[in-house]
Amino acid sequence: DGGITQSPKYLFRKEGQNVTLSCEQNLNHDAMYWYRQDPGQGLRLIYYSQIVNDFQKGDIAEGYSVSREKKESFPLTVTSAQKNPTAFYLCASSISLAGAQETQYFGPGTRLLVL
Amino acid sequence: AQKITQTQPGMFVQEKEAVTLDCTYDTSDPSYGLFWYKQPSSGEMIFLIYQGSYDQQNATEGRYSLNFQKARKSANLVISASQLGDSAMYFCAMRENTGNQFYFGTGTSLTVIP
Repeated sequence: DGGITQSPKYLFRKEGQNVTLSCEQNLNHDAMYWYRQDPGQGLRLIYYSQIVNDFQKGDIAEGYSVSREKKESFPLTVTSAQKNPTAFYLCASSISLAGAQETQYFGPGTRLLVL
Repeated sequence: AQKITQTQPGMFVQEKEAVTLDCTYDTSDPSYGLFWYKQPSSGEMIFLIYQGSYDQQNATEGRYSLNFQKARKSANLVISASQLGDSAMYFCAMRENTGNQFYFGTGTSLTVIP
């Protein structure tokens, strides 16, 4: 079945540690996104990518980094510079970046907790 | 200004009844898309329905319909014959043709009462 997978489902980070969240899609979508969701809040865009080896900062990119070496994969690293990383992280993809009709499809999410 | 506004933090509906979740939007782009997503307690965002700004008819998908009032800039989601499994957060979103981003509202928590 086509879809988006995220791993792990839960992730624990120690102070000063970098952690990487995985996102893989087999939908053959060009565009991929990372969002952060805090309790009772909407989604905030961290990074997005239109094609391989290209990505752009979203509204809250500080303390995060990404890579896009393969079309199917868009991992997110939460660095030690992110002082309040506890949140729910959602990865999404769409056929392309542009176009009002392009629906985003989401993975199941990763819940990050700081120890 | 907020691109997407959802003014109902929480809603309750009796099982088998219909419910309307409100959404208003703000854009100057004549071409845009409006989306609704469901987020159950598991966390995954599930795409429900899409409405294009040039679509003449309201979108429908099974028990979901979108009440699109372009002049009022509203895109309310109507769920008919509510089921217990409809209890979840619902997010309205918009995408402009000229931009790269999705804009999400803050969500409405729907509880279906048996």
